[in-house]
Amino acid sequence: DARVTQTPRHKVTEMGQEVTMRCQPILGHNTVFWYRQTMMQGLELLAYFRNRAPLDDSGMPKDRFSAEMPDATLATLKIQPSEPRDSAVYFCASGPARDRGLQETQYFGPGTRLLVL
Amino acid sequence: AQKITQTQPGMFVQEKEAVTLDCTYDTSDPSYGLFWYKQPSSGEMIFLIYQGSYDQQNATEGRYSLNFQKARKSANLVISASQLGDSAMYFCAMRPTGNQFYFGTGTSLTVIP
Repeated sequence: DARVTQTPRHKVTEMGQEVTMRCQPILGHNTVFWYRQTMMQGLELLAYFRNRAPLDDSGMPKDRFSAEMPDATLATLKIQPSEPRDSAVYFCASGPARDRGLQETQYFGPGTRLLVL
Repeated sequence: AQKITQTQPGMFVQEKEAVTLDCTYDTSDPSYGLFWYKQPSSGEMIFLIYQGSYDQQNATEGRYSLNFQKARKSANLVISASQLGDSAMYFCAMRPTGNQFYFGTGTSLTVIP
């Protein structure tokens, strides 16, 4: 049963520190999404990739956040420097591109729960 | 503009009863997909059901069905015979042109024994 994996599952850090979150999409999926979920804002799209190329990262604070896909098996989301307001659950999701069919959903990883003190 | 609206922040249902969770959407794209996800307290997001804009019949998956009314732009999730394990957040999402998914704010469902 293929799954999206994310590491770490939990992260506690101090303000100003760098945080790197990793995601391994399901093999064969060529779209990857990064979301942030908070009680106040709900589920926000930060960035997404197709065939490893960033298509939209307009939801991401550019000054401190960066997202990359160094290869097809790894997506990273980095925050530098981190701030308390970045505390949230960060989800990675992967799926086939839309041209494979409208019915193609995205599959979520378990999330990284980040707390910035 | 692409938008998903879930107007019910919280819902309660008696165990074994049916419940409908509302979702309306806005898009000018003729072709789009509608999805429902469940997020239990453990935090994972679980795909439940899909409806395509050109589908003539409402989608069903076990106890889940989607009441799709295209003219009203609504895609309500119906859960029949509610179980305690159905207590969770439920998110409606739409995928119009492109690869991006648009999510609603979610509905918290509590199943009462």
